[in-house]
Amino acid sequence: AQKITQTQPGMFVQEKEAVTLDCTYDTSDQSYGLFWYKQPSSGEMIFLIYQGSYDEQNATEGRYSLNFQKARKSANLVISASQLGDSAMYFCAMRESTGFQKLVFGTGTRLLVSP
Amino acid sequence: DVKVTQSSRYLVKRTGEKVFLECVQDMDHENMFWYRQDPGLGLRLIYFSYDVKMKEKGDIPEGYSVSREKKERFSLILESASTNQTSMYLCASSFQGTSNYGYTFGSGTRLTVV
Repeated sequence: AQKITQTQPGMFVQEKEAVTLDCTYDTSDQSYGLFWYKQPSSGEMIFLIYQGSYDEQNATEGRYSLNFQKARKSANLVISASQLGDSAMYFCAMRESTGFQKLVFGTGTRLLVSP
Repeated sequence: DVKVTQSSRYLVKRTGEKVFLECVQDMDHENMFWYRQDPGLGLRLIYFSYDVKMKEKGDIPEGYSVSREKKERFSLILESASTNQTSMYLCASSFQGTSNYGYTFGSGTRLTVV
């Protein structure tokens, strides 16, 4: 079964600095997708970035980039130039490649950005 | 603006009550999902549906049931609420097949059972 591990319950960063949120995954599938979501205090899950297992380039979306290391089974999220509005919970997720292709989520990392 | 709407942001119910959590999406998505979110446990899948009147158990279906009579609406039912069902409940939807966007989520319902 697929599994996502986020080992950082909380992270602190100062405004304008970069921060890396860790995510490792476990799967025996060759084809899979990896996602990062942001959950502000309002509760809604906001899609940030996607990486396919066959994508050769690391995904980037504005200030977000995904450091994809397939051999190490890691998919870390890098946020550059942190802003106060980045304070939120961040979840890493993996889409199953078989069956109903459900998303499996990690336990999340709470990021706090200080002025 | 496309969205997934959950009928309540906050609910307080008594132990033993029958509780309905409603979710509506306007994106014509085939798949709909109910997750519960607890600190330190992340999001855990309760039930999902891939078509009208079709449902599949997720990882933690005990104590819950679901209903999908129309494509746009997916209801989560707590037959007899218990205090250990106090949690944040998140509804989501998606098209069938692979997608680079994963799911679209609602804003969540924070349920407290007293």
